[in-house]
Amino acid sequence: GAGVSQSPSNKVTEKGKDVELRCDPISGHTALYWYRQSLGQGLEFLIYFQGNSAPDKSGLPSDRFSAERTGGSVSTLTIQRTQQEDSAVYLCASSLRGQNTGELFFGEGSRLTVL
Amino acid sequence: AQSVTQLDSQVPVFEEAPVELRCNYSSSVSVYLFWYVQYPNQGLQLLLKYLSGSTLVKGINGFEAEFNKSQTSFHLRKPSVHISDTAEYFCAGYRSGGYQKVTFGTGTKLQVIP
Repeated sequence: GAGVSQSPSNKVTEKGKDVELRCDPISGHTALYWYRQSLGQGLEFLIYFQGNSAPDKSGLPSDRFSAERTGGSVSTLTIQRTQQEDSAVYLCASSLRGQNTGELFFGEGSRLTVL
Repeated sequence: AQSVTQLDSQVPVFEEAPVELRCNYSSSVSVYLFWYVQYPNQGLQLLLKYLSGSTLVKGINGFEAEFNKSQTSFHLRKPSVHISDTAEYFCAGYRSGGYQKVTFGTGTKLQVIP
């Protein structure tokens, strides 16, 4: 597609359930980021994938959070045993490093509500 | 890693007045800097970027920013704001070389008052 696509756009789940959020980056983009934006807060870095390098997971808040990127393209962010404090908008962004020098293109986000 | 600091969490300004949103970065080595804007209930989009060359960068919607190496700043300015500029603005940057990740400031909410 022309832009970064995220799904679902909205997800309501019950506390304790697992959720998966999906990100389709722009074709050919080698870098992919996940951020979390809680209500009224800034961007919280979660994880960064760059090509075939080991991902930078330094922002994941707990071991309930994990992410993978298959085939260097689609990424899935998984939150296990969701808690109410996980409620936020999860943003995905991609970029083509080496050209456009790292400009990020953002998806519209997945809004997660944990009841 | 590059560190980016936005000094103001909220900036109220009257319509048609000038505005400056402040951003400072941590490294004086080769650095790429960006400003992104997030309008209410929307995703982030690029406003402008500094890669190299001229230190005055012009972006969309009449915004501009000046890269100041001696003060390690990249402040965003607009000479006359409109109601439609009400949004949250994020400064971001990363050091060139290798696969440094982009880091974001905490954001500045610009509230334009009619």
